[in-house]
Amino acid sequence: EAGVVQSPRYKIIEKKQPVAFWCNPISGHNTLYWYLQNLGQGPELLIRYENEEAVDDSQLPKDRFSAERLKGVDSTLKIQPAELGDSAVYLCASSSGTGGRTEAFFGQGTRLTVV
Amino acid sequence: AQSVTQLDSQVPVFEEAPVELRCNYSSSVSVYLFWYVQYPNQGLQLLLKYLSGSTLVKGINGFEAEFNKSQTSFHLRKPSVHISDTAEYFCAVRDTGFQKLVFGTGTRLLVSP
Repeated sequence: EAGVVQSPRYKIIEKKQPVAFWCNPISGHNTLYWYLQNLGQGPELLIRYENEEAVDDSQLPKDRFSAERLKGVDSTLKIQPAELGDSAVYLCASSSGTGGRTEAFFGQGTRLTVV
Repeated sequence: AQSVTQLDSQVPVFEEAPVELRCNYSSSVSVYLFWYVQYPNQGLQLLLKYLSGSTLVKGINGFEAEFNKSQTSFHLRKPSVHISDTAEYFCAVRDTGFQKLVFGTGTRLLVSP
């Protein structure tokens, strides 16, 4: 079974440029998460989807960040414009079912460097 | 709101020695608890989880953790570590009624020969 796939693995952009990250969750997983991981820190939730609905986006900086999961499968996270402080690892995860018992499976992440 | 405290940012240990990584959580409701491991430039991999039942939980790679409700702790232990256990370890908590997973700041385990 394929795991959570993220692309690209690494991205270097200049500040003020746009950037997009893509995530393909495990087949059949209805819940998808985007996490931000700063250097030396634990992951912090940006947004959670149940199928195509964003059910928790309270931590997403909506002035510059946006996300979509149009068909309830793969998802895209966008930053426009990027700032130096956005340099971090962006992790995507997915899980099946509802409730808190199910494990979240993580992708390898996209490491963003803004210069 | 839930929160997780991992008091030790870094734990150095010699190979074959025992180790304990500490985790305390804060929540007003019942919780599920998880330990994840992150190797360099990799995503997070589940080591073990506590959902209910026995408070001693065994996971992969010889790790185990004990849930202590009165002390709101979920410490991770391994009786004998290997060089390959060098990684970042994250404790996480989730309220039983929600999907949001809240992580601690992580503990870097450094195993030396």
